[in-house]
Order: sequence, then C-alpha cells, then structure tokens
Amino acid sequence: EDQVTQSPEALRLQEGESSSLNCSYTVSGLRGLFWYRQDPGKGPEFLFTLYSAGEEKEKERLKATLTKKESFLHITAPKPEDSATYLCAVQTNNNDMRFGAGTRLTVKP
Amino acid sequence: EPEVTQTPSHQVTQMGQEVILRCVPISNHLYFYWYRQILGQKVEFLVSFYNNEISEKSEIFDDQFSVERPDGSNFTLKIRSTKLEDSAMYFCASRPDRANYGYTFGSGTRLTVV
Repeated sequence: EDQVTQSPEALRLQEGESSSLNCSYTVSGLRGLFWYRQDPGKGPEFLFTLYSAGEEKEKERLKATLTKKESFLHITAPKPEDSATYLCAVQTNNNDMRFGAGTRLTVKP
Repeated sequence: EPEVTQTPSHQVTQMGQEVILRCVPISNHLYFYWYRQILGQKVEFLVSFYNNEISEKSEIFDDQFSVERPDGSNFTLKIRSTKLEDSAMYFCASRPDRANYGYTFGSGTRLTVV
C-alpha cells in the first residue's frame, strides 16, 4: 500500500533557526514528489516538484531534496511568515496524488 | 495568475440533505480532482476526472458522491444524502495535460453537516 509519512508532526523554531522537514514514502511507482504549503483555512499552495533521486529545488529560504526513499525540505533562516503546514505528496503511476499528514511549522520572532 | 475558484466558501446543511459544491478550474487544464480534509487530518483523495469521465476514485467516493462537468467550465461535486462525517474542507484541484505537474488547488469549501 502506498504510504507517505512526514516528520516531525510539529516544529517550533526561533526566527533565523534553520531546520529540515522529512517526508518518507513507500509507493509502487513514483512519478513525482511534491511539496505544498498550507495556511489555515486555505488550499495547498504548490512549492516544488522533484522527479528523481539527487534532484534539488530552491525557492527563497526553502530547498527541497529527494532520495530514493525520502525527501527533505530545508528551511534556512526562517521568518515568522514561513509559519504554515508543509505538506508532502507523491504522484504515483496512476497519476493521482497521495498526501502526508503534514508538518506544522511555527516560527517565533 | 490563474486560479481555481470554489463556491461557496462555507456551506451548512442538515443531515440527509443534498449539497452541490462548485469549482471553476483553470481554463486550459484538462484533469480535475476533488480532495477533502477533515479538520486536523490529512488531505484525502476523492476522485479524478478527465475527458468527461471519472478516471479514478477512492473508497471514500461511494454511491452518495457524484461529479459532473455540466458546461465545460464548472466542475461539481454532489453529495446526495449528507452525513455528519461528511463535514470537512473540500478542495478542488486541476492540472494541465501533462503527466507530472503541481496541481493548482482552490481555497476550498468548508462543509458543515448538522
């Protein structure tokens, strides 16, 4: 059965304190791994797509990396506005998206 | 930037009533989806729709659910006889005709069944 597991469930950082979020996956066939940001009461907002092991993508303070079993979302020098839930999702061979439960990030000033 | 638009933003309905949730996907997108998120839980796949038919559905998407693209722009999710456990955020998403691409999600409809 396809599974996507994110850790930690919640992460509290001080402004400027860098850290990483983890997404591990077990799927029958990976077509892509996606990171989304979700603010309370809103839909997921697309951040990155990664397709193959070794690939990296960057956007402002965020950098996503991918291995054959997991992906990391690195947050460098976060700011309070980076506070949100970060969702990992995998696109399987049938093209549908399966989400992890998310990591709730809080960045305190 | 193109958006996926969902209406209403909040719907309150009595148990047993029918509800229709509406979505206007991005105009040149060809694949459409409905997902739901029960409060505090993960985003769950309901159904995918392509070329005017369902391409896949989850075990959640039982006979009480149906989808339709009635006029080439709207994409609707109907729940025939709502239950308390149908209370959730319902998200519509769309993507272009490509195998791998980040979906664009709408802001969701919060459905409350009382």
